[in-house]
Amino acid sequence: GDSVTQMEGPVTLSEEAFLTINCTYTATGYPSLFWYVQYPGEGLQLLLKATKADDKGSNKGFEATYRKETTSFHLEKGSVQVSDSAVYFCALSGAGTALIFGKGTTLSVSS
Amino acid sequence: GAVVSQHPSRVICKSGTSVKIECRSLDFQATTMFWYRQFPKQSLMLMATSNEGSKATYEQGVEKDKFLINHASLTLSTLTVTSAHPEDSSFYICSVSDAGNTIYFGEGSWLTVV
Repeated sequence: GDSVTQMEGPVTLSEEAFLTINCTYTATGYPSLFWYVQYPGEGLQLLLKATKADDKGSNKGFEATYRKETTSFHLEKGSVQVSDSAVYFCALSGAGTALIFGKGTTLSVSS
Repeated sequence: GAVVSQHPSRVICKSGTSVKIECRSLDFQATTMFWYRQFPKQSLMLMATSNEGSKATYEQGVEKDKFLINHASLTLSTLTVTSAHPEDSSFYICSVSDAGNTIYFGEGSWLTVV
C-alpha cells in the first residue's frame, strides 16, 4: 500500500543553519504531497503542499519540490529560527482525502 | 479563523468510562470527516472515515465497537471512546475537506485514561 518514509530525528540545528528533512513515498497513481507542522501541545498545521510532479510548495521560507523520478518531497529552509522548533510530518493523500503520514521528524533549533 | 473545531482539547477520564470527542466543520458542510490517532512520539494513523448519514468506515485493526463514530449532520462528527483503558490514551484529531479538496485539521484532543 501507499506509504511515507521520512528521516528519523531529532534534528538539532543552530539558528540560521540550513535545514533539510528527507521524505520519500510509495504510492500508486499520483498523490498530492504535504508537509505538516505540529508545535508543542498543538494540533497540525499545513505548512505546504504540491499536487503534481515538479510542483514546488513554499511557505514561511520552507520549500519542497515534488520529484516523481525519485519519489521524494524533501523539506528545506535556508535559515532556520528558534520558532521553527516543532515536529514536521510528510504526508500523501490516500483514498479520498484521507492522509498517510510519515513518522514525523522533530526539529530543535537553538540560539 | 478556525475552519474545524474540535472539543474537548484535553480530557482525563477514569478507566472503564466513555468519552466523547466532537469535530465541527465551521465554514462548510462536510459529508466526509476523518479521524486520526497519534500515540506519543509516533505518527498519525487514520482510524476511520466518517460519512454523514451512514456508517463509518474503519481502518484495519481499529475496533468499531470501541470507537463509535456518529456523523449525524453535515457539520458534526463525534468519536466516542467506550470503556476507555489507559492504552487508549492518545491524541485524537479530525480532518475535513472542502469542495476544493483542501484539508483542514481540528486542534486535536488529548485523551488521558487513568
